[in-house]
Order: sequence, then structure tokens, then C-alpha cells
Amino acid sequence: DAKTTQPNSMESNEEEPVHLPCNHSTISGTDYIHWYRQLPSQGPEYVIHGLTSNVNNRMASLAIAEDRKSSTLILHRATLRDAAVYYCILRVLHNNNDMRFGAGTRLTVKP
Amino acid sequence: KAGVTQTPRYLIKTRGQQVTLSCSPISGHRSVSWYQQTPGQGLQFLFEYFSETQRNKGNFPGRFSGRQFSNSRSEMNVSTLELGDSALYLCASSLLWGIAYEQYFGPGTRLTVT
Repeated sequence: DAKTTQPNSMESNEEEPVHLPCNHSTISGTDYIHWYRQLPSQGPEYVIHGLTSNVNNRMASLAIAEDRKSSTLILHRATLRDAAVYYCILRVLHNNNDMRFGAGTRLTVKP
Repeated sequence: KAGVTQTPRYLIKTRGQQVTLSCSPISGHRSVSWYQQTPGQGLQFLFEYFSETQRNKGNFPGRFSGRQFSNSRSEMNVSTLELGDSALYLCASSLLWGIAYEQYFGPGTRLTVT
């Protein structure tokens, strides 16, 4: 199974940037890296995804290592609302396309 | 654009009964996936539908089934409920089927089996 490794928890201060790491050493050339987050008492929320190049959207940036074996989700200015569990998911072309969630990283944002 | 809607939001059933949960995807989205979330097992993939066809299925017993209609709405059914089926059931929709497409989740249906 394609797997990702994330720290169990991270802390950040409000209004500071946050870098959430993810290792996916088994990645192959056609696999996509997806990030979702889940706020308390809500369903998961799509954050960003990418294949090879770095990606930016209104929520975050995704920095993908040159060898693609790791990636980093960047929240440019953390707010209290960003406190959530962040999931890094590897979507594998030949694995029936399903999304397999790991334990994720619990981000705590301190005021 | 309205998000993914799920009905009902809360449900209490008795062991041995069956239950049907409903999901309406975002307008224009043709793929619907279902997930089960429990404190012990986390988020687990149940199945995914696209164009009324089940494209893949997770490791759940045959008591869990689903279907998708021509308007992309989907239902999942759990027969012969067990206490361990108590969970948050989440539906997600995406524009098309495939690993390049992001999924948008509904608020979930909280099922309690007593």
C-alpha cells in the first residue's frame, strides 16, 4: 500500500507560517499528493493537491521535493480557525484510485 | 453552488435493523465516495461510484452496499446492523473519477446502533 508519514502533532503561533511535512518515499511518477484537513465536528475539507510542481491556492501552498519523496503543506499565516487534523494522502493510479487516510497531523494554533 | 448534502444528519437504530443513508453531490459532480469514521479506526474508505457504477470498494463486509442514481445522487445501505457500525458516515463528491480530482465532503450522518 502507498503510505505517507506525518508527525502526530504540531504547534504554531497565530499569524505565523506553518510548515506541515509529509514523507511518501514509495511514490511513483503517476501518483498525486493530496492534502485535506478536518476541523472539529466537521467533515474533511479539501486543501490542495499536486503532482510534480509546487502549487498555490487561496488556502495554502504545496511544496513538493525534487525527488517527490516528500512534500510540505504551507499555511502562510496561521489563524485559530486553522486548528485541525491535516491529512497527507497519496493517490496511487494503480490502486483503484481510492483515498486512504492515515492518522494525520493535529495542528494546534496558539493565540 | 450548494455543497454536498447528507440526510439524515443523525440516526439511532437497533442492532439487527438496516439503514439507508443518502447523499446529494455538488451540482455537476459525477463521482461519489463513501467513508466511515470511528475514533478507533479513523477514516476508512467504503466505496466509490461514478456513472452509476461502483468503481472500487474498501475492505468492508457485504452488509455494506451502495448505489448511484442517474442524477449522481447516491445511497448507502447497511443491513443487519452491529454495535460496531456506530460511526460518522461521510459522503464526498468530485467532478470526475480519478486520482487527479479533489473530493468535497458533506457534514456526515452520525449513526448510533444500540
